[in-house]
Amino acid sequence: DVQLVESGGDLVKPGGSLRLSCAASGFTFSSYTMNWVRQVPGKGLEWVSSISGSSTFIYYADSVKGRFTISRDNAKNSLYLQMNSLRAEDTAVYYCTSPHYSDSSGYYSGHWGQGTLVTVSS
Amino acid sequence: QLVLTQSPSASASLGASVKLTCTLTSGPSTYTIAWHQQQPEKGPRYLMKLNNDGSHTKGDGIPDRFSGSSSGAERYLTISSLQSEDEADYYCQTWGPGLVVFGGGTKLTVL
Repeated sequence: DVQLVESGGDLVKPGGSLRLSCAASGFTFSSYTMNWVRQVPGKGLEWVSSISGSSTFIYYADSVKGRFTISRDNAKNSLYLQMNSLRAEDTAVYYCTSPHYSDSSGYYSGHWGQGTLVTVSS
Repeated sequence: QLVLTQSPSASASLGASVKLTCTLTSGPSTYTIAWHQQQPEKGPRYLMKLNNDGSHTKGDGIPDRFSGSSSGAERYLTISSLQSEDEADYYCQTWGPGLVVFGGGTKLTVL
């Protein structure tokens, strides 16, 4: 079974940094694009960033461009999100997602992790 | 630029059917989308990937009661034989060059 397990969420002060991790299993990790999606409690889903299987293509939402960095380690089946210059509006549950194991085409979210909460507050 | 528009709310009675709409208000009408369900206090769950010709592939364990269809720039999610656990938020998602977008979501109430 596909599993995506996020970790690293915490309470951090404005201007601070945090690194999220996502451990993937149950599929050939290096063959799939991966995404970070976030959700402010009580609000809708917001795409944050995507990375192709070989890290050749990397994309960011305008709201995080220049502050967040997505990366992956295919040898460790892991996805990361380095978040710098954090703001109160970055407070959200962050989900790691991948395409469905049966259909790797596209940057859609066919599998979701359980999410990790990032709180930015003084 | 890609923009997906969803009605904020919908309601239908237990046992009835409901059709939710996701409209590609900006961007090519040929785009594939994905539908997701988020039950109260839970994480999102992938329902299906829906192509512009109406063909769709569902996620693991998604009941036959959930189906998708397309017409022009509109993508639909139909839920038949509504059950109480179908009360949830439903989001559509699409992607294009360098961009992924979600619709604002539809809150479905089962009466």
